[in-house]
Amino acid sequence: GENVEQHPSTLSVQEGDSAVIKCTYSDSASNYFPWYKQELGKRPQLIIDIRSNVGEKKDQRIAVTLNKTAKHFSLHITETQPEDSAVYFCAASTTGFQKLVFGTGTRLLVSP
Amino acid sequence: DVKVTQSSRYLVKRTGEKVFLECVQDMDHENMFWYRQDPGLGLRLIYFSYDVKMKEKGDIPEGYSVSREKKERFSLILESASTNQTSMYLCASIEGAYGYTFGSGTRLTVV
Repeated sequence: GENVEQHPSTLSVQEGDSAVIKCTYSDSASNYFPWYKQELGKRPQLIIDIRSNVGEKKDQRIAVTLNKTAKHFSLHITETQPEDSAVYFCAASTTGFQKLVFGTGTRLLVSP
Repeated sequence: DVKVTQSSRYLVKRTGEKVFLECVQDMDHENMFWYRQDPGLGLRLIYFSYDVKMKEKGDIPEGYSVSREKKERFSLILESASTNQTSMYLCASIEGAYGYTFGSGTRLTVV
């Protein structure tokens, strides 16, 4: 079955810096790659997603890139702010956006 | 907005008890999922359901069962709770291409 690896497990940056979180997946049939943000004590929430027919997607300060050949995708956050501090999860799916397999999470800390 | 509601935020149960975790969604979604979340392990799929009375095992189904008698409700059952089932349990539903909506989670402690 699908396996998703996520790095780093923790990431500390200064406010205004960029942050990059990387994930690799094993199943070449995976075709949907969402990213979730989980603030302390709250539920995970979808922040951006990308499908396998697209190489890059941006939404304001957040972007995701996908390299199908290498089977990896990355989350890029620019101009980080303290409210970006959270745990971020990547995921992959092969069955029409269902049955997501998640990475182990990255704890991002943005210091003022 | 889709709402996914988990009946309990915190539960404390004794070893050997039968435990029911309830999840209700209000948008007529066909697909519902139960995950458990543990530090350093991310979210792992326990069971999922594509329709009423239909269920499929996820990656870690041992010690769990599920029930989906109505479309809006998906229950996770711990037949005989054990301490290694102490965890955060997250329910989710999905329809189409819009990603999961998660419930607020149930933090279960088995003593």
